[in-house]
Amino acid sequence: GESVGLHLPTLSVQEGDNSIINCAYSNSASDYFIWYKQESGKGPQFIIDIRSNMDKRQGQRVTVLLNKTVKHLSLQIAATQPGDSAVYFCAENMRGAQKLVFGQGTRLTINP
Amino acid sequence: DGGITQSPKYLFRKEGQNVTLSCEQNLNHDAMYWYRQDPGQGLRLIYYSQIVNDFQKGDIAEGYSVSREKKESFPLTVTSAQKNPTAFYLCASSNYGGAGQPQHFGDGTRLSIL
Repeated sequence: GESVGLHLPTLSVQEGDNSIINCAYSNSASDYFIWYKQESGKGPQFIIDIRSNMDKRQGQRVTVLLNKTVKHLSLQIAATQPGDSAVYFCAENMRGAQKLVFGQGTRLTINP
Repeated sequence: DGGITQSPKYLFRKEGQNVTLSCEQNLNHDAMYWYRQDPGQGLRLIYYSQIVNDFQKGDIAEGYSVSREKKESFPLTVTSAQKNPTAFYLCASSNYGGAGQPQHFGDGTRLSIL
């Protein structure tokens, strides 16, 4: 069935290092993927999205990679800062569906 | 500024009481959504609406009800039939009916039981 999961529930990195957050999805019919950042007590904030006709997309300090062969999605954050500490969610949209399916989230902690 | 406003930020419900959570958006989005988030968990879809006067059940609709009388408003009622209502409730909206478009979220309402 539809499901989006994450390989690691928590991730700690040193400030200034690069972070990689992973996500596995199970539905090969999914054609749109999003990464969100959620800070404590707030709603999820859109970071970056990618469609299934792309393998890579870059934003400001963030890159999303999509590997459709193994149904894997990753978010790379360059030169992490204290403000990057949050829970990160991936979400997928199945072709023709009108809703997103969210993963459980990865908590990213930045160590000084 | 355009955005999604949820109110109240905190809400308390007595046993057997219905409570209504407000969600208003001024983004002119067609679609609106309600999610429930439990501690340490992802988001689960309660209800969604693609156009005015129409809405569909999500994955966990039991014990909840919604209405969509105006494009900008999508209130959620947590009824007494919802036996475990304590959670963080998030409202979202998106363009073009939602398929293949990012959803934009409000800052949530935290509901607790007295």
